[in-house]
Amino acid sequence: KNEVEQSPQNLTAQEGEFITINCSYSVGISALHWLQQHPGGGIVSLFMLSSGKKKHGRLIATINIQEKHSSLHITASHPRDSAVYICAVRGTDKLIFGTGTRLQVFP
Amino acid sequence: EAGVAQSPRYKIIEKRQSVAFWCNPISGHATLYWYQQILGQGPKLLIQFQNNGVVDDSQLPKDRFSAERLKGVDSTLKIQPAKLEDSAVYLCASSWTSRFYEQYFGPGTRLTVT
Repeated sequence: KNEVEQSPQNLTAQEGEFITINCSYSVGISALHWLQQHPGGGIVSLFMLSSGKKKHGRLIATINIQEKHSSLHITASHPRDSAVYICAVRGTDKLIFGTGTRLQVFP
Repeated sequence: EAGVAQSPRYKIIEKRQSVAFWCNPISGHATLYWYQQILGQGPKLLIQFQNNGVVDDSQLPKDRFSAERLKGVDSTLKIQPAKLEDSAVYLCASSWTSRFYEQYFGPGTRLTVT
């Protein structure tokens, strides 16, 4: 069993839909990251959080430390949100990555 | 502020050939990471440098992979000889220090071994 599990693996949506991507982890962490990876490989950090909730534009990330679970929400989704979203947890000094959720948003 | 630079962006080689990748981290970042990302998987840490010293290379296949960061700034990752299963995106990332700071990723180098 992977230390970081994401669901769903693949997700398709119509433009405007509300999207939720989930991440569960089994190790103790100091922080959790949500990353976005577009085709071509480059990774952009969306959020780093250790408790509660963060919001940036149409993106919202929440974390429940007791349940070892985090969610990434996208409100009013748009085709430009199409990407792979990766959850990564920080153990001691290294990041442990999930396998990602591939999101496709159609107009 | 300039981001993490990597070159080349794409490389195609035949198995048993050698290849080298270059990374220039964000200025002032002490920690540099090399990751391997195979298609459909999350990134896997190959090696982590703190300045010019190696912090973690436990998942680096040392019989064929090597990396250096001689002056504590830019870094090179080499594969010699390459195997088919080395086909992947090689990502470089950097951070101020390892523990509490965000990692900033470069655009990656896509390696295809034929």
